[in-house]
Amino acid sequence: NAGVTQTPKFQVLKTGQSMTLQCAQDMNHEYMSWYRQDPGMGLRLIHYSVGAGITDQGEVPNGYNVSRSTTEDFPLRLLSAAPSQTSVYFCASRPRAGGGELFFGEGSRLTVL
Amino acid sequence: GESVGLHLPTLSVQEGDNSIINCAYSNSASDYFIWYKQESGKGPQFIIDIRSNMDKRQGQRVTVLLNKTVKHLSLQIAATQPGDSAVYFCAETLDSWGKLQFGAGTQVVVTP
Repeated sequence: NAGVTQTPKFQVLKTGQSMTLQCAQDMNHEYMSWYRQDPGMGLRLIHYSVGAGITDQGEVPNGYNVSRSTTEDFPLRLLSAAPSQTSVYFCASRPRAGGGELFFGEGSRLTVL
Repeated sequence: GESVGLHLPTLSVQEGDNSIINCAYSNSASDYFIWYKQESGKGPQFIIDIRSNMDKRQGQRVTVLLNKTVKHLSLQIAATQPGDSAVYFCAETLDSWGKLQFGAGTQVVVTP
């Protein structure tokens, strides 16, 4: 089983550029989410989705957009990258909203120059 | 234990000893807690979870203890092995959607 797949694994952007981090899961999970991880700060929730067509903001949503047109995919868009968005990004999913173990992807390391 | 800041707390443990990792959670209404392990360059992996109606839960070589009175969670690892070297995070569920809030993490270093 592929589980949660993130692409790309590494990306370097210049300030102002846009890009999309892809996340796909093949487990038919309702709940999907994006976290960013910065040194010494744990994982902080950016956006989450409780099902296709439903998204909401997490703790640190500014500068990021998401959409959920299918159950499988939950892309994270940076419209105008800033150096403060240099981080490691993790996508995670679980079968349902409401609780339970989150299954994480392997991460995408983004550097904004 | 865990704290917010630029430097992760580090727990050095000798191989074969037991490890205890502590976590203070923030929301007295949280009803579900998870421990994750993260090895360098990888995504977090589930270790064990516990609901607020329990005080203790055991897995394979791991035990989680929950003290709701003081909002404290701990993870005990028995007979720590080199493969246990990683960063360990606790997380609590914030709301009915199950959003997880993570602590800053504790670095565990196992020495021979």
